[in-house]
Amino acid sequence: DVKVTQSSRYLVKRTGEKVFLECVQDMDHENMFWYRQDPGLGLRLIYFSYDVKMKEKGDIPEGYSVSREKKERFSLILESASTNQTSMYLCASSQGSQFNQPQHFGDGTRLSIL
Amino acid sequence: GEDVEQSLFLSVREGDSSVINCTYTDSSSTYLYWYKQEPGAGLQLLTYIFSNMDMKQDQRLTVLLNKKDKHLSLRIADTQTGDSAIYFCSFHGQNFVFGPGTRLSVLP
Repeated sequence: DVKVTQSSRYLVKRTGEKVFLECVQDMDHENMFWYRQDPGLGLRLIYFSYDVKMKEKGDIPEGYSVSREKKERFSLILESASTNQTSMYLCASSQGSQFNQPQHFGDGTRLSIL
Repeated sequence: GEDVEQSLFLSVREGDSSVINCTYTDSSSTYLYWYKQEPGAGLQLLTYIFSNMDMKQDQRLTVLLNKKDKHLSLRIADTQTGDSAIYFCSFHGQNFVFGPGTRLSVLP
């Protein structure tokens, strides 16, 4: 079974801090994704990566950056956290060079910015 | 871009059938997915349908696809309390689009 592990279930940070969210997958998947989930809005794609050191902007990349130095690890960085970034963050991975395969999700990190 | 709509809430009685609907504006995706999210967890793949199919049955789950009306539905037969969750329709292809999710509540 694919396992996607997010480093923290809950995180509380202060406005202006630099925040790192880590995600690791154990199935050698090519693609990794970061979403944020807000009530009534569903999932919105922040960034995705299809290979090591490769990244693509999603629908809402502003205020975020990502890093993929190793195939199994995909990090989301909030450069200067703001209160409107309080949300649930979900990491996912999928296999293959085409993006139509199902995505496997971690359990999420609930981030609160005070 | 792709817009996807779902009703936000659905309540059914245990043992009844549940039907969760999803409408979309456009889709070039080969696969159309249904994911389930239980409280405090990420999304898990529930079932899927190929875009060239009209129907797929998988035990208690039936997926119907009406490409003409751009309508996807998920029917859960004999709904149980363990089916209480949020259900997302999703399209993966050139874009990755998830609906807003339907919260299914199963009443005893």
